[in-house]
Amino acid sequence: GAVVSQHPSRVICKSGTSVKIECRSLDFQATTMFWYRQFPKQSLMLMATSNEGSKATYEQGVEKDKFLINHASLTLSTLTVTSAHPEDSSFYICRRISNQPQHFGDGTRLSIL
Amino acid sequence: DQQVKQNSPSLSVQEGRISILNCDYTNSMFDYFLWYKKYPAEGPTFLISISSIKDKNEDGRFTVFLNKSAKHLSLHIVPSQPGDSAVYFCAGAAGNMLTFGGGTRLMVKP
Repeated sequence: GAVVSQHPSRVICKSGTSVKIECRSLDFQATTMFWYRQFPKQSLMLMATSNEGSKATYEQGVEKDKFLINHASLTLSTLTVTSAHPEDSSFYICRRISNQPQHFGDGTRLSIL
Repeated sequence: DQQVKQNSPSLSVQEGRISILNCDYTNSMFDYFLWYKKYPAEGPTFLISISSIKDKNEDGRFTVFLNKSAKHLSLHIVPSQPGDSAVYFCAGAAGNMLTFGGGTRLMVKP
């Protein structure tokens, strides 16, 4: 069964809306989670590293005020896309560190109208 | 600077034949490599990995080969099945950080 639960799987909303995406570790505590973004027909690009109890680390070119990351507990990391615009439409995926780093969430398809 | 490259964006193979997906990398710090399979609107699914100290790892129909001197790895699927049709990503791992290639879309025709 899934060990990483990502919700929602799909969001369609109007421009200017803020959208929160949740990533839960189901089987054990995760002090670190990774957030990726994938544009159509492109690779997964790391956006940020989420650390429990401390500030997230953002990759170059990713606006931290636009993509708010909160990792308040050992089982939940959230990514909030603030004041989303059509160019933010993408597929967002979280990944949890585990003994083998293969545990991804199922992703969230975000469509901004 | 693309540290991991998959130069073939797509590959079409007949059912029952071998599928070979290739991946090149530049970062010598990668300590192991992974292959993922991805369907549209889903997260990647882990397929197989190989440590940088090995040159081959086999799991059922899937075999990964690593040529460190050439900084090249390949995924062999034999025999290919229509259900294997998906996008395949290779990734290099340095600690907990993964760097992905651009993916190769595999189409297995019945």
